[in-house]
Amino acid sequence: GAVVSQHPSWVICKSGTSVKIECRSLDFQATTMFWYRQFPKQSLMLMATSNEGSKATYEQGVEKDKFLINHASLTLSTLTVTSAHPEDSSFYICSARGSGYTGELFFGEGSRLTVL
Amino acid sequence: GDSVTQMEGPVTLSEEAFLTINCTYTATGYPSLFWYVQYPGEGLQLLLKATKADDKGSNKGFEATYRKETTSFHLEKGSVQVSDSAVYFCALSPSMFSGGYNKLIFGAGTRLAVHP
Repeated sequence: GAVVSQHPSWVICKSGTSVKIECRSLDFQATTMFWYRQFPKQSLMLMATSNEGSKATYEQGVEKDKFLINHASLTLSTLTVTSAHPEDSSFYICSARGSGYTGELFFGEGSRLTVL
Repeated sequence: GDSVTQMEGPVTLSEEAFLTINCTYTATGYPSLFWYVQYPGEGLQLLLKATKADDKGSNKGFEATYRKETTSFHLEKGSVQVSDSAVYFCALSPSMFSGGYNKLIFGAGTRLAVHP
């Protein structure tokens, strides 16, 4: 099946710094990508939907200035956590859907962020 | 709002035991229902799906039936293997349009550990 890769798989940063997480579709063009956040023992929560070449659509309660999403190409979307704080520590997961619309979402392995 | 509730884990079974992971949902209208599986170190993968009431999704020996009367989509397998050890997520898509593969609302996940 299609492959979606995230990088880094884990990152530790100091409070106040910014961290960028990349999501790549390796063998297909992803017109739409989704970013999720998962707290320990809780559900994956959709943060935002990004479409290639346009602004991301954020879910209610998600700070768009804090979680910057860029989907500049059909194979890459990035999530930047700006001015990170310990409460931003979480597991971030991206998923992608191809332009051919197979009806299936493909997920990355996830990126664990720890803010000290 | 729409939500998914699944049984807490971990679920620990011996090889060849019968597996049931309960999943119930709350949604308006007619959602599509999914089970995703996440093996260690990998991204979520679609295991099976059902798009309308009484549909049965099946794959790799797993099956789940869309029960609208009980708002449930329980995952079952008759004989588990060690290789089935993973985290299983129940999810729904509130939209029936285009097969309902847009937003996904996830349950918290259930970890399954199968011992030889």
